[in-house]
This record gives sequence, structure tokens and C-alpha cells, in this order.
Amino acid sequence: KAGVTQTPRYLIKTRGQQVTLSCSPISGHRSVSWYQQTPGQGLQFLFEYFSETQRNKGNFPGRFSGRQFSNSRSEMNVSTLELGDSALYLCASSPGTSGVTGELFFGEGSRLTVL
Amino acid sequence: GENVEQHPSTLSVQEGDSAVIKCTYSDSASNYFPWYKQELGKRPQLIIDIRSNVGEKKDQRIAVTLNKTAKHFSLHITETQPEDSAVYFCAAIPGNTPLVFGKGTRLSVIA
Repeated sequence: KAGVTQTPRYLIKTRGQQVTLSCSPISGHRSVSWYQQTPGQGLQFLFEYFSETQRNKGNFPGRFSGRQFSNSRSEMNVSTLELGDSALYLCASSPGTSGVTGELFFGEGSRLTVL
Repeated sequence: GENVEQHPSTLSVQEGDSAVIKCTYSDSASNYFPWYKQELGKRPQLIIDIRSNVGEKKDQRIAVTLNKTAKHFSLHITETQPEDSAVYFCAAIPGNTPLVFGKGTRLSVIA
């Protein structure tokens, strides 16, 4: 099976712009989670989607949003980018039938740099 | 909500020595405790996990112990090798909610 695929892998934006990141989960996985990784802060939870429904949302401002499509692919969007949004954004899928109940399979991540 | 503290943030050991990373959690409802390894420039990958009905689990050179009363769990790596050098993350999940990760431990194995 193909692993979790994230696009784009690298991108550079300027303050005030917006960005959309895409994630294709492992075939058959219906749960998709997003995490922000920054040095010293570890992995901070952004959202979790299951069957097109947002099940959980982390403590991030409303500029961060996401969605999941019927084929389980997910996108996240960050509007009005700030310098502090520079990070590695990781997507992870899970085979759990009711959300995250076991192993997370991570993608390679999308590295966002905001100038 | 759940809070996971991880120590130390950096750890250096000589090749062949053991390494121990400790985590504490706050929510007594947490019942699943995975450990992820992230090599430089790579994705995090699950290396071992333990559920709350088990006190210890081993897989070759790695083991995890869980103390539910004290709400802490630890990762033990024996006979460390250079390829064990990576960032290790512990996590906890209180039921059917998102994984909460610790901030990570950067392990360096010195040959």
C-alpha cells in the first residue's frame, strides 16, 4: 500500500498570504489528523477528521481550518499567514473505525516558511 | 485536557549503553501510550506502544514500562547503536480523543 502523501513538500509564503496543504491517507484509512511541528514544541494537534466530520480541534486560532473529502483526502488552510506559522505540518492517517484508537501513520510533512 | 511532560529534552549516551526517557501524563483516563521515533528529516514512526492493562512490553532492545498509579511511563533502549540517534516522542490518549505528544527527546548515541 502507498503511504500517506502530503503535497507540497516545501513552500515559501509571505506574511498575509494564505496556504492550502493536501494530504492523501493510506487507502482504507478514514481518520486523518494534522499536527504542527516546531523546534522545542514537539507535535501540536491541529485537527482530526473522520468520515468528512471534524471530530476534534486543537488550540489554534481560527486562521487554521481544514476539511476532509468523501475519498478521505484532507486539506488544511492557513489564512493571513504570520511568521510564527513557519513549521513542518504533518498529516497522519489511522485505520481506526472510530477515529484515533491506535497507530498513526505519518506523511513526510509540508515544510512551510513564512517570510 | 491531557498534558504530557517528557524528560530529558536531550540525552547523549555512549554506544552500547542504555538510554531511558520518561514521560508523565495528567489524565487518569488515558489508556494508550505510544512512542514514536523521528530520524532527521524523516517522518515520525511508531516503535512501541502499551495499553493501560499492561505494565511492561518489550520488543528486542526496546521496552516500555507503565505505572498507572504514578501516571508515568518510560522508554528503555538497551545496547544503544548509532542508528538509535533520533528524536523520540511519547504520547497519551484519553479514550477516543487525539493523541497528545510530549515535546520530544533528542537522543545522540556516540560511537
